[in-house]
Amino acid sequence: AQKITQTQPGMFVQEKEAVTLDCTYDTSDQSYGLFWYKQPSSGEMIFLIYQGSYDEQNATEGRYSLNFQKARKSANLVISASQLGDSAMYFCAMEAGGTSYGKLTFGQGTILTVHP
Amino acid sequence: EAQVTQNPRYLITVTGKKLTVTCSQNMNHEYMSWYRQDPGLGLRQIYYSMNVEVTDKGDVPEGYKVSRKEKRNFPLILESPSPNQTSLYFCASSLFPGEMNTEAFFGQGTRLTVV
Repeated sequence: AQKITQTQPGMFVQEKEAVTLDCTYDTSDQSYGLFWYKQPSSGEMIFLIYQGSYDEQNATEGRYSLNFQKARKSANLVISASQLGDSAMYFCAMEAGGTSYGKLTFGQGTILTVHP
Repeated sequence: EAQVTQNPRYLITVTGKKLTVTCSQNMNHEYMSWYRQDPGLGLRQIYYSMNVEVTDKGDVPEGYKVSRKEKRNFPLILESPSPNQTSLYFCASSLFPGEMNTEAFFGQGTRLTVV
């Protein structure tokens, strides 16, 4: 079975500073993918970034980067130069192989608040 | 525009009154699923479908039914809703299950309250 753990229920950051949202995972599959989604107060799920288990380089998408440490089973999201619009709930998720293909296993989420 | 459309967005109903939440995608995706989101628990998969007429249980299927008669539609049915099914529901679709880096597209969500 797969498991995602986000240990930070809430995080605060000053505008223009960087912030790291933690995510650890557990799976026995060798092939898996890690995703981060943003959920603003309006409720929709917005895809941010993806990291494959065989990717040698950390994924980056604009101000988002994923700090992937495979041996530690962590996939932390780094948001650089925070903006007020980054205030939202952030979910880490994993898709593993085998019979779980297609299924996303989500963490509990972290609420990020960006202060002006 | 590629999208997953859920209806309704908000629904308040009474215990025991059957309801259906519709979900439709226009991307010809094979894989569709339903999730519920509850505080402190993240999103949990209710049911999924690998293709037309192929559905299976996710992690929390009790009290729900689904059907996949057409590729684009995947309705969620609550035959006899109960207050513990009050939640935020998401429909999602993706192209090829098993192809990693297959981004899941989510609907706008349906906030259901059962009183």
